[in-house]
Amino acid sequence: DTAVSQTPKYLVTQMGNDKSIKCEQNLGHDTMYWYKQDSKKFLKIMFSYNNKELIINETVPNRFSPKSPDKAHLNLHINSLELGDSAVYFCASSQFTAPGTYTFGSGTRLTVV
Amino acid sequence: EDKVVQSPLSLVVHEGDTVTLNCSYEVTNFRSLLWYKQEKKAPTFLFMLTSSGIEKKSGRLSSILDKKELFSILNITATQTGDSAVYLCAALLNTGNQFYFGTGTSLTVIP
Repeated sequence: DTAVSQTPKYLVTQMGNDKSIKCEQNLGHDTMYWYKQDSKKFLKIMFSYNNKELIINETVPNRFSPKSPDKAHLNLHINSLELGDSAVYFCASSQFTAPGTYTFGSGTRLTVV
Repeated sequence: EDKVVQSPLSLVVHEGDTVTLNCSYEVTNFRSLLWYKQEKKAPTFLFMLTSSGIEKKSGRLSSILDKKELFSILNITATQTGDSAVYLCAALLNTGNQFYFGTGTSLTVIP
């Protein structure tokens, strides 16, 4: 059973399009995250939700909008995609009081052409 | 500015060698330091270090934290080709479970 699953795994799209990446966790965790990994393997946090409440909202373009319909899901919607948005996006989850439970999804490789 | 710096950026060793990976951090509201191994898929959790000077061990891997000098090391003894990966360290803050990741050390173990 996949603990943190992201879909799609690969996404190739044209500039200007709007796309969504979905994330679901079946670990019963109360906190979920989105990270962007650049070409140098640097992971930068974008958003974090705890019990459906936004608790971390880093400086990212407002074209990026997270949505958490429930504790088990955190989706990432991106409007007007730009070339610089090309990266691997990782979803993760944890139990807020137990950081050692931090678990990553397998990533979504987004390529904007 | 908060930052986490790892060194070296990349490393190539032969099977059987011992390697030491370094992670230094300067963050406010530091809580713990975590190590991850990233292969083709997602990073997998290795260690979480909260107390200074206490070594954590798992098989051939071990890690220790120095909260006075603000760094941690990850040791891998008797390396194997399966150890080839990017090793990430991350500083966990007290605020909102926020992590700052380092840029990673790419380790390649050749037979």
